[in-house]
Amino acid sequence: EAQVTQNPRYLITVTGKKLTVTCSQNMNHEYMSWYRQDPGLGLRQIYYSMNVEVTDKGDVPEGYKVSRKEKRNFPLILESPSPNQTSLYFCASSRAGPLETQYFGPGTRLLVL
Amino acid sequence: KQEVTQIPAALSVPEGENLVLNCSFTDSAIYNLQWFRQDPGKGLTSLLLIQSSQREQTSGRLNASLDKSSGRSTLYIAASQPGDSATYLCALNSGNTPLVFGKGTRLSVIA
Repeated sequence: EAQVTQNPRYLITVTGKKLTVTCSQNMNHEYMSWYRQDPGLGLRQIYYSMNVEVTDKGDVPEGYKVSRKEKRNFPLILESPSPNQTSLYFCASSRAGPLETQYFGPGTRLLVL
Repeated sequence: KQEVTQIPAALSVPEGENLVLNCSFTDSAIYNLQWFRQDPGKGLTSLLLIQSSQREQTSGRLNASLDKSSGRSTLYIAASQPGDSATYLCALNSGNTPLVFGKGTRLSVIA
């Protein structure tokens, strides 16, 4: 089944404890991205990747890192999480870029205490 | 800067009704527009994508229209069902820049 998977789905952590949210797609998509969704603010893009080893900042990249060592994986790294990073995070992918249909993962709900 | 507005924020209708969800945007220089569905606790599912050169797209009971000149898109749902209950989001693509999302319309279809 073609899909985007994220792990973990739910995570509670404390301020400053490094964490990684994994994202993987099995559709051989070139383009992958991360969003956060917050009440009243909607979805905002954090980082995106046009291809392997190519990443770039989205609208709200502060406090986040990403890597794209393989086409299928695009992990989101929070080196020192803070409470304002409490949010619902989505990974998405598309065949060739942002102009095409985006396929979203199921989301990761993060609480930073 | 592109701004996307969806009104109303919430809508409740009885089963079987036809309904229209609205999406308006401030900059008509767009490449395409996507409508998504989001179920509670789940990710977004793409419903329809309309290219800027198109006026509408249809998939089953769904029909999405695009009027760039007026900065509007509508999602028409025919013969609504309780299973259509979800939040519907529109998102605009203005080039190789992040998608700009509206805040969504939460739809409840009452049996």
